[in-house]
Amino acid sequence: EIVLTQSPATLSLSPGERATLSCRASQSVSTYLAWYQQKPGQAPRLLICDASKRATGIPARFSGSGSGTDFTLTISSLEPEDFAVYYCQQRTHWLFGGGTKVEIK
Amino acid sequence: QVQLVESGGGVVQPGRSLRLSCAASGFTFSSSGMHWVRQAPGKGLEWVAVISYDGSDKYYADSVKGRFTISRDNSKKKLYLQMNSLRAEDTAVYYCAKEGDDYYFDYWGLGTLVTVSS
Repeated sequence: EIVLTQSPATLSLSPGERATLSCRASQSVSTYLAWYQQKPGQAPRLLICDASKRATGIPARFSGSGSGTDFTLTISSLEPEDFAVYYCQQRTHWLFGGGTKVEIK
Repeated sequence: QVQLVESGGGVVQPGRSLRLSCAASGFTFSSSGMHWVRQAPGKGLEWVAVISYDGSDKYYADSVKGRFTISRDNSKKKLYLQMNSLRAEDTAVYYCAKEGDDYYFDYWGLGTLVTVSS
């Protein structure tokens, strides 16, 4: 079973700052990795698929990179609505990482 | 527009059963794989089960294998999750999610809360 480990658990930043979130797989998942955003009381929303492709309607400030076992989600300049929890997911067995909470500093 | 609406949640005693439903609209239900994902209070997302577009293939998380059964009725555009032998650790919000063309979850319902407690 492939395990996804996200870091850090919490990221404290101010609006306008750059956010860098990490997701590491216990074995290679090629580029079969997605990122989701979840706000309190809401369902998750697909942001990035296949490691780097933005889903429909996702702003350009969100970008994904990586392959194999190491992946990164970058938010270039945090907007107030971006403070949320972010999860990575591998496509093969649909398992999720533990999440990174991006909170206002 | 795509809509997924879960129902059937509630409070149930340990060891009892519950059936969740997910009503789909706005897309060709019979062409899409469908999933159940759950989230315990204050915790992360946990994938639960998947069913192929025609119901021929089903897979489960180890934590629910042998207790939960996923099914679908394409004529009614509905997805189901039969949950038996419920445990306290099954307490969670249960989401149904649609699988997109690239196999990721492109649409989610709002979820239904299942509480297992005596």
